[in-house]
Amino acid sequence: EVQLVESGGGLVQPGGSLRLSCVASGFTFNTNWMHWVRQAPGKGLVWVSRINSDGSHTIYADSVKGRFTISRDNAKNTLFLQMDSLRVDDSAIYYCASGGHLVGWGQGTLVTVSS
Amino acid sequence: DVVMTQSPRSLPVVLGQPASISCRSSQSLVYTDGNTYLTWFQQRPGQSPRRLIYEVSKRDSGVPDRFSGSGSGTDFTLTISRVEAEDVGVYYCMQPTHWPLYTFGQGTKLEIK
Repeated sequence: EVQLVESGGGLVQPGGSLRLSCVASGFTFNTNWMHWVRQAPGKGLVWVSRINSDGSHTIYADSVKGRFTISRDNAKNTLFLQMDSLRVDDSAIYYCASGGHLVGWGQGTLVTVSS
Repeated sequence: DVVMTQSPRSLPVVLGQPASISCRSSQSLVYTDGNTYLTWFQQRPGQSPRRLIYEVSKRDSGVPDRFSGSGSGTDFTLTISRVEAEDVGVYYCMQPTHWPLYTFGQGTKLEIK
């Protein structure tokens, strides 16, 4: 069974940084694309970023390009999202999701950007 | 960018009755390999999203057969043949065809009337 466990969320001031982690189990992590998707309170799902299986190719939504960096450690079955220059509108639950078509999802980690 | 438009945004349904959600894309979702990639997710209150349907009509493991997906090109439908109480939540369509950018619909909230 696919298991994804996110961590690293919290309260941060505008302009600050956070690093999210997602530990995967129950599937072959190093052969799967991985994604980050976010959901602002009471709002819909928004795709944020994707990384290919070996980490050599990454892509970002325009809203986070240049501020967020997705990466992975296949030896540790872990996905990361480094978030810099955070803004109030980055506040959301951040989910990691597995596979090209987002078959598995974690429980999410809450990021709140506020002064 | 591909825009995904769902309707209705709110869907009150009587228990045991059918329900349908429409999803329209601004561009065809037929990929260069000839396949069409359209995915449906369910998000129950307070839970993470769960994938229900992929490649328009393929049900994920454990998804009840009362859920079905159909459509082609730019018009797609998620149908629940007989709504049960556990189906309450928000349903999202998503296109992975025009990767590397993925796009979700705005969501449809299903509630029991």
